[in-house]
Formats: sequence, structure tokens, C-alpha cells
Amino acid sequence: KNQVEQSPQSLIILEGKNCTLQCNYTVSPFSNLRWYKQDTGRGPVSLTIMTFSENTKSNGRYTATLDADTKQSSLHITASQLSDSASYICVVSDRGSTLGRLYFGRGTQLTVWP
Amino acid sequence: EADIYQTPRYLVIGTGKKITLECSQTMGHDKMYWYQQDPGMELHLIHYSYGVNSTEKGDLSSESTVSRIRTEHFPLTLESARPSHTSQYLCASSEGGTSGTTDTQYFGPGTRLTVL
Repeated sequence: KNQVEQSPQSLIILEGKNCTLQCNYTVSPFSNLRWYKQDTGRGPVSLTIMTFSENTKSNGRYTATLDADTKQSSLHITASQLSDSASYICVVSDRGSTLGRLYFGRGTQLTVWP
Repeated sequence: EADIYQTPRYLVIGTGKKITLECSQTMGHDKMYWYQQDPGMELHLIHYSYGVNSTEKGDLSSESTVSRIRTEHFPLTLESARPSHTSQYLCASSEGGTSGTTDTQYFGPGTRLTVL
């Protein structure tokens, strides 16, 4: 069964600290993996996208890694800011259909305290 | 920020009412989607469209219906709302290419629906 599991479910850190969010997936065949940021009451916004051949992608203070062999990804946030408080969603796309079926994780709820 | 809009942002209605959630995008995207999301849970695809006059049901069974008469507009309708329909509804669009990169979905802000 194609699934995307994220950990931890929630995380609280102090402003300025770093953190790493995890994503494990069983989606096959694999096309790409995206990390989205979803602010409360808003729609998700794409942060990074990685295909099978890419193992790291950065977007400012966000760095995503991908290990396609172990089917694991991580999102590292450097020097956290209050505005980083949001849900971070891991989304995996397969190559099994024209639609490019997306599988969503439940997200990690990150709270950054001053 | 993506040019995709949803109205209303919040809606509280009584059981049995007919409602239409609006979604519009100005990016000229062929593909559009409707997702349902409950707090702390993953997004579930309920409808999608490849283009004008194309609509398909998603993975999650839904009593809602959609239409795609114009490229930029993808409204979702509930003929008779029930408390079980209480949820957040997110609309998204993508270019429609076969490349995983060009098929990035851009999401609207969502409509929070509460049925009493």
C-alpha cells in the first residue's frame, strides 16, 4: 500500500534553533517528492521538489534531502524564525498514471517560540 | 504567491442547504483539483479536471459535484449539506505537463465549511 509517514507529529523549538523533520514513504513507482508549508488557515505552498536522481535541494533556510534507496526524506530548517510556525507536509508522486497521483503525509506541526 | 482564489473563506450553514464553493485561477492551468482536509489529517483528493468539460472523481468518495465550463473556474457544489460535510476544502491547479516539476500544484487559501 502506498503511504507517506511523517515524524514527529508535532515539534516545538525556540527561535534561532535548527530542526529536522522526517518523511518515510512506500510509494512505488516513484516520480518525485515535494515538501509543502501550510500556514494555519491557508493552502499549502511548495518549498522544494526532488526527483529520483536528486539527493538534496535548498530553498533559503530550508534544505531537503532524499534517499531513494531507503525511501526517506528530511527537511532541515536552519536558524528558525517565528514565521516558520506551520505544518510541513511531505508529498510523494508516482509515475503510475497520467494524473501523477499524489500521496500526502499528515504533516509535522512546527511551533517556534520566541 | 499563486493566483488561485477561493470564496467564501468561511461558511456556516444549516443542514439541508445547497452550497457552491467557488475556485478560480488566473494562471491558465489545465488541471484543477479539489481536496478535503480535516485537522491534523492528510489531504484527500475528491475531484479533479484535466480541462474544460472534463471532471473525474478522486480517491475519497464525496457527495459533492463539480463542473468545468471555463478553464479558470472549477466550482464545487453540495446539493444538501450535512454535518458530516464539515471540513476544509482546498482547491488547486497545475500546468498539466507530464514532467513532475511542471505539474506542481498551486493551492488556494481554502474554504472552511461548518454545517450545523
